[in-house]
Amino acid sequence: DAKTTQPTSMDCAEGRAANLPCNHSTISGNEYVYWYRQIHSQGPQYIIHGLKNNETNEMASLIITEDRKSSTLILPHATLRDTAVYYCIAALLYGGSQGNLIFGKGTKLSVKP
Amino acid sequence: GAVVSQHPSWVICKSGTSVKIECRSLDFQATTMFWYRQFPKQSLMLMATSNEGSKATYEQGVEKDKFLINHASLTLSTLTVTSAHPEDSSFYICSAGRPDRAPGEQFFGPGTRLTVL
Repeated sequence: DAKTTQPTSMDCAEGRAANLPCNHSTISGNEYVYWYRQIHSQGPQYIIHGLKNNETNEMASLIITEDRKSSTLILPHATLRDTAVYYCIAALLYGGSQGNLIFGKGTKLSVKP
Repeated sequence: GAVVSQHPSWVICKSGTSVKIECRSLDFQATTMFWYRQFPKQSLMLMATSNEGSKATYEQGVEKDKFLINHASLTLSTLTVTSAHPEDSSFYICSAGRPDRAPGEQFFGPGTRLTVL
């Protein structure tokens, strides 16, 4: 699986958009980009994933560059409850099977009032 | 959404004793579950992959005789830390995937904090 690189920490003002970058320059053509977050002392929570196209769900948007070497997770209106460590994972997982996820160090996002 | 529970949420035990942690998928069947360990201020480390009805697959460096995994049903996997020592103190987290979801979309339990005295 491709290695990902994320900033160690970021701050964001409450109510503003939080844009979390991730570099995955060695990603292969069939590796997906997954985003998870972990609020302190809890289990991780799935946010979103994508392959080539931009994706949006009720939690966030995922923007993947055309060359797929980087992506950005966007939380459109950050709240204090979005304070967490955000993990970007590039994973080669096959449909119909459940594959393991390799977590890096992630980005600690602090949303401030 | 899918729910994965863990029991107990925290446990304190004496060195040399064994501790069992349960991971349950409450509203779906999980043929595969994963066990992770997380030390303070560190990321999650995959310990093993648990498959229903077969032996678990352990990651390199994880002692299979120390961390016993049993996946006896489609909704339950257990991790037993045998002869626990203080260095085994950690946050243990399980996860499960659903067949109708993407392979990397996993549902995590709330974690179990183990403290070995």
